Amino acid sequence: SQQGEEDPQALSIQEGENATMNCSYKTSINNLQWYRQNSGRGLVHLILIRSNEREKHSGRLRVTLDTSKKSSSLLITASRAADTASYFCATRGNEKLTFGTGTRLTIIP
Amino acid sequence: GAVVSQHPSRVICKSGTSVKIECRSLDFQATTMFWYRQFPKQSLMLMATSNEGSKATYEQGVEKDKFLINHASLTLSTLTVTSAHPEDSSFYICSATLGQLYNEQFFGPGTRLTVL
Repeated sequence: SQQGEEDPQALSIQEGENATMNCSYKTSINNLQWYRQNSGRGLVHLILIRSNEREKHSGRLRVTLDTSKKSSSLLITASRAADTASYFCATRGNEKLTFGTGTRLTIIP
Repeated sequence: GAVVSQHPSRVICKSGTSVKIECRSLDFQATTMFWYRQFPKQSLMLMATSNEGSKATYEQGVEKDKFLINHASLTLSTLTVTSAHPEDSSFYICSATLGQLYNEQFFGPGTRLTVL
């Protein structure tokens, strides 16, 4: 399977703390994307980082990409209760978007 | 941003019946649409890729005769689960992309299918 792996599988932190999620993948990519999914809902696109980029910011989100290690991280700073959701990385190869296993993030008020 | 809708959001059906799920791009023309299946607490698994006016490309292990995909226009794709069985119960999500495949995909809100 070419599916990426994410860790941790589940993460619980206090509101206001930072949350870091990691994603590893197996094949060469064109870009890597992070998505959020609230329980039983569709996916919301958070950020896209291209293979020639190393870091990208969007609001409270910071994404890094290390193509030599085939890994990426998503940092959410100053977490809020509304950030509680599942987060998926997805890699774009030739055509398909392949999703990682996901991290379930719970923010404790 | 681009909006993708799905209908219905939830459907419950009896075993043996067929269920049709619609996916629409509301404010853009989607060159390619994708259908995913997601089991509880698991990741999204791509089922098939469809381009308007041509046959869908199914992923390995996905039965094309069971999961019929029709992409009749640039704004509508349908997934029909034929002769549904309880093991087909899942969350089905479509997505659409405009322009080049390397661009962002826009996801629908998903359809929860329960087969009794």
